[in-house]
Amino acid sequence: EEHLVESGGGLVQPGGSLRLSCTASGFTFSNYWMSWVRQAPGKGLERVANMNQDGSEKYYVDSVKGRFTVSRDNAKRSLYLQMNSLRVEDTAVYYCARDPGWGAWDYWGQGTLVTVSS
Amino acid sequence: DVVMTQSPLSLPVTLGQPASISCGSSQSLVHSDGNTYLHWFQQRPGQSPRRLIYKVSNRDSGVPDRFSGSGSGTDFTLKISRVEAEDVGVYYCMQGTHSYTFGQGTKLEIK
Repeated sequence: EEHLVESGGGLVQPGGSLRLSCTASGFTFSNYWMSWVRQAPGKGLERVANMNQDGSEKYYVDSVKGRFTVSRDNAKRSLYLQMNSLRVEDTAVYYCARDPGWGAWDYWGQGTLVTVSS
Repeated sequence: DVVMTQSPLSLPVTLGQPASISCGSSQSLVHSDGNTYLHWFQQRPGQSPRRLIYKVSNRDSGVPDRFSGSGSGTDFTLKISRVEAEDVGVYYCMQGTHSYTFGQGTKLEIK
């Protein structure tokens, strides 16, 4: 059974950094695009970043370009999101999701909460 | 950027009655490969999102057949033939043709 588990969330001050991890099981991780999707408290969904199978293609929402970096380690079946220069508006639950193509995310993790506050 | 507009944003429905959510895009979602990458997701209270429908009308396994998706070009619809209590939550359309954009979400509640 396909499973995604995020970790690494927490409370951080504005300007700080955090690294999120997502570990996959139950499917061949290296065969899929993977994404990070976030949801601010009481708000809708927003795709933050995604990358292809070998990491040669990466895409980001404009608001995080230059601050966030998505990466993966296929040997460890893991996806990462390095978040630097965090802002209050980055506060959200961050979900890891498997993308079989064109945003049709078919499996999602439980999410990890990132709170940016002084 | 493609803007996705859902209506209504709040949808009170009586149990057993039908429900319909509209999703419009600011430009055609027909990809150059001929596919239309418009998907629907459900988020129940306190849960992660779950895909219901992909590429306009393809229902996921395990999704009740009371859910159906339709539409083309810039106008799409998610229909629930008979609402049940477990359908409470927020429904999002999402386009993957031109980068990725979600609609604002439609909150379905039981009247």
